Amino acid sequence: DAGVIQSPRHEVTEMGQEVTLRCKPISGHNSLFWYRQTMMRGLELLIYFNNNVPIDDSGMPEDRFSAKMPNASFSTLKIQPSEPRDSAVYFCASSLTSEAFFGQGTRLTVV
Amino acid sequence: GENVEQHPSTLSVQEGDSAVIKCTYSDSASNYFPWYKQELGKGPQLIIDIRSNVGEKKDQRIAVTLNKTAKHFSLHITETQPEDSAVYFCAARGFGNEKLTFGTGTRLTIIP
Repeated sequence: DAGVIQSPRHEVTEMGQEVTLRCKPISGHNSLFWYRQTMMRGLELLIYFNNNVPIDDSGMPEDRFSAKMPNASFSTLKIQPSEPRDSAVYFCASSLTSEAFFGQGTRLTVV
Repeated sequence: GENVEQHPSTLSVQEGDSAVIKCTYSDSASNYFPWYKQELGKGPQLIIDIRSNVGEKKDQRIAVTLNKTAKHFSLHITETQPEDSAVYFCAARGFGNEKLTFGTGTRLTIIP
């Protein structure tokens, strides 16, 4: 398996634009997580899904953030409209039992 | 909710020496404690984990200890090598909960 695949790896966008981050979890995994990493706040869990159903979205910072998992092999995290303070590295991770496998991340820069 | 504190934030050790990173957690119901290593430009990768029914676990040069009473756990790396240089994160998770709460990370530098 190629592991958790995220796209794009880098995204630079202007304030106010919509940004969509994509994630393909490891085949067979039933849990998917979206994390945000910044110097100030470290690794924060934004939302996680179990069997494609959102279980805990308490970490989603604002209504500007939304996440979907239409099927077991694909998830998106959308920010609309984006703001400079959204600049961070966004990680997707998936798991079947205990171990969470992380993707390479998407570095988002909002200017 | 769970709160995980990690110390130190940076650590430099001479190659061949040992490194120790410590974490404390707040939720006594937490029962799974993984350690992740993050190299530059990559996602975190699990290096070792421990469950609350075990006090110590070892895998070659890496070991983790858990003190449930004091609610703290530690990562020990012996015979450090340059490739051990990275950021290390501890985490904690409660029973029946998928949610991992991470510490703030330790940047470990191995001095050749």
